[in-house]
Amino acid sequence: SYVLTQPPSVSVAPGQTARITCGGNNIGSKSVHWYQQKPGQAPVLVVYDDSDRPSGIPERFSGSNSGNTATLTISRVEAGDEADYYCQVWDSSSDHPHVVFGGGTKLTVL
Amino acid sequence: QVQLVQSGAEVKKPGASVKVSCKASGYTFTSYGISWVRQAPGQGLEWMGWISAYNGNTNYAQKLQGRVTMTTDTSTSTAYMELRSLRSDDTAVYYCARDGPLPGLGIPNWGQGTLVTVSS
Repeated sequence: SYVLTQPPSVSVAPGQTARITCGGNNIGSKSVHWYQQKPGQAPVLVVYDDSDRPSGIPERFSGSNSGNTATLTISRVEAGDEADYYCQVWDSSSDHPHVVFGGGTKLTVL
Repeated sequence: QVQLVQSGAEVKKPGASVKVSCKASGYTFTSYGISWVRQAPGQGLEWMGWISAYNGNTNYAQKLQGRVTMTTDTSTSTAYMELRSLRSDDTAVYYCARDGPLPGLGIPNWGQGTLVTVSS
């Protein structure tokens, strides 16, 4: 079964850049989607297909994907960015294709 | 605008079944699929499966196969998720979400979530 590995936590000061990684075997060959989830709320899609942003998502959110690591980058971090972030892929490599989520990363704004 | 409104919280005993509904509006229901995702307290997101609202095709997570059934009612633009033989570790918030015509695309629209508590 395909596994996505995220760091449990990332901390950053306001105004700095946060980078949240998502590791997986040859993840660069898959499309990666990223979600932000604040306490008590449903997830919000912030990046899809590695690096595209849905309408309404600030340009501060960007994504990249190559090799065995995908990265969500949040520039000029604000207090309101504090949340859990999840990566997601479609694993078509097994005999039972399915969606896989990473374990999530808690972003703390210091 | 796209809206997904889910049914209310449920409390069930172990071994029982639960059926959560998800009423969609603001888009052509049969042009998309619905994914179901759950989140146990303090835990991460777990994909449960996907159903095509066009033809009813399903793709269930292997660990839930045999216990979960996803259906849609195109006359009311409503999706349903039934989970049987409930256990305590099924306690979670259950989300429906508008997925693509095929599963695995980025999911832009989510319901508000339904808390299902399994307790004796």
